[in-house]
Amino acid sequence: KQEVTQIPAALSVPEGENLVLNCSFTDSAIYNLQWFRQDPGKGLTSLLLIQSSQREQTSGRLNASLDKSSGRSTLYIAASQPGDSATYLCAVRKTSYDKVIFGPGTSLSVIP
Amino acid sequence: EAQVTQNPRYLITVTGKKLTVTCSQNMNHEYMSWYRQDPGLGLRQIYYSMNVEVTDKGDVPEGYKVSRKEKRNFPLILESPSPNQTSLYFCASSAINSPLHFGNGTRLTVT
Repeated sequence: KQEVTQIPAALSVPEGENLVLNCSFTDSAIYNLQWFRQDPGKGLTSLLLIQSSQREQTSGRLNASLDKSSGRSTLYIAASQPGDSATYLCAVRKTSYDKVIFGPGTSLSVIP
Repeated sequence: EAQVTQNPRYLITVTGKKLTVTCSQNMNHEYMSWYRQDPGLGLRQIYYSMNVEVTDKGDVPEGYKVSRKEKRNFPLILESPSPNQTSLYFCASSAINSPLHFGNGTRLTVT
């Protein structure tokens, strides 16, 4: 059974720092991996989607990498800003129309 | 505007009174799904649908029903709600090889 974990559970950094969030999954046979952002009491916003054949995706200050063989993905946030404060979740899918398994999330706080 | 719309946003009901939470998407997505989010338990999938008339159970389907009679709609039905179904519910949709798009959520309280 696929399990997804995220480390750390919470992170507090000063504004301007570069940071890395980690996502691990137990079954490397995934179809894709997606990173989301969730603000308190709000829905999830998609940040990046990495297909199983890809190694990384970039969007602005965000870069996500995928290493299927080791069951890991990282989300790199450059030059963090207070507006980046939110919970970041990763999710994996085994096939294109299969169940989606979410990690527990990392709560990020960027201090001005 | 491309979106997933859930209604209602907030719902307070009593044990045993049947309710339906609606979900509609305007992106012609084949895949739709329902999740519940609880403190300490994270997001868990309830049901998902790969296309019209095709549905499958997620990890926590007990106490819920769904139907997919049209491509754009995927309602979540609680036939006899219980207090342990108090939660924040999300609907999401996607096409093949595309990101999941989420609705804004429905906060359900069952007393």
